[in-house]
Amino acid sequence: AQSVTQLGSHVSVSEGALVLLRCNYSSSVPPYLFWYVQYPNQGLQLLLKYTTGATLVKGINGFEAEFKKSETSFHLTKPSAHMSDAAEYFCAVSDRGYSSASKIIFGSGTRLSIRP
Amino acid sequence: DAGVTQSPTHLIKTRGQHVTLRCSPISGHKSVSWYQQVLGQGPQFIFQYYEKEERGRGNFPDRFSARQFPNYSSELNVNALLLGDSALYLCASSLGQSNQPQHFGDGTRLSIL
Repeated sequence: AQSVTQLGSHVSVSEGALVLLRCNYSSSVPPYLFWYVQYPNQGLQLLLKYTTGATLVKGINGFEAEFKKSETSFHLTKPSAHMSDAAEYFCAVSDRGYSSASKIIFGSGTRLSIRP
Repeated sequence: DAGVTQSPTHLIKTRGQHVTLRCSPISGHKSVSWYQQVLGQGPQFIFQYYEKEERGRGNFPDRFSARQFPNYSSELNVNALLLGDSALYLCASSLGQSNQPQHFGDGTRLSIL
């Protein structure tokens, strides 16, 4: 069974500082990996995804994540935080079987706060 | 182009009632999935429908049901509502059964009194 663990339910950084949100996954087969962002009272917006190929994935709003198979990790980073980055971030995994449903397994989320 | 649209945006029900939530996918998307997001948690998969057939089901009781219409819109029905059903219900659409990514709507906030 697949699962996702997000380390730290709340992360606070200063504006301009590095953002690092940690995610570890468990999957018996090579997974698809995702990061989604959720702003208050809104749905989920895809930041980036890893399916195959290059392990460093670049997403929207300056975010990137690196797939490390040996560490079963998919940490999200951004070099310089902006106030507008304050939101809830979800790491997620799904399998890549074409006969299976597109079920996405989400982590419990990390709330990112930005200090002025 | 319009994104995934869900209605209503907010809903208040009492225990024992039933509710119907609606979702219109992005034009051209044939797959619709439903998720439940309880406050403070990540979304949990309820159903996926593709080409009007159920293709996947999460660990939810039979009180939860859904269907997909010929225009690919979908309804989620919940019977005999419990307090624990209070949550944000998210709909997501994608092109095919296993195509990624899924595009999410803004959800329906369901409150049970």
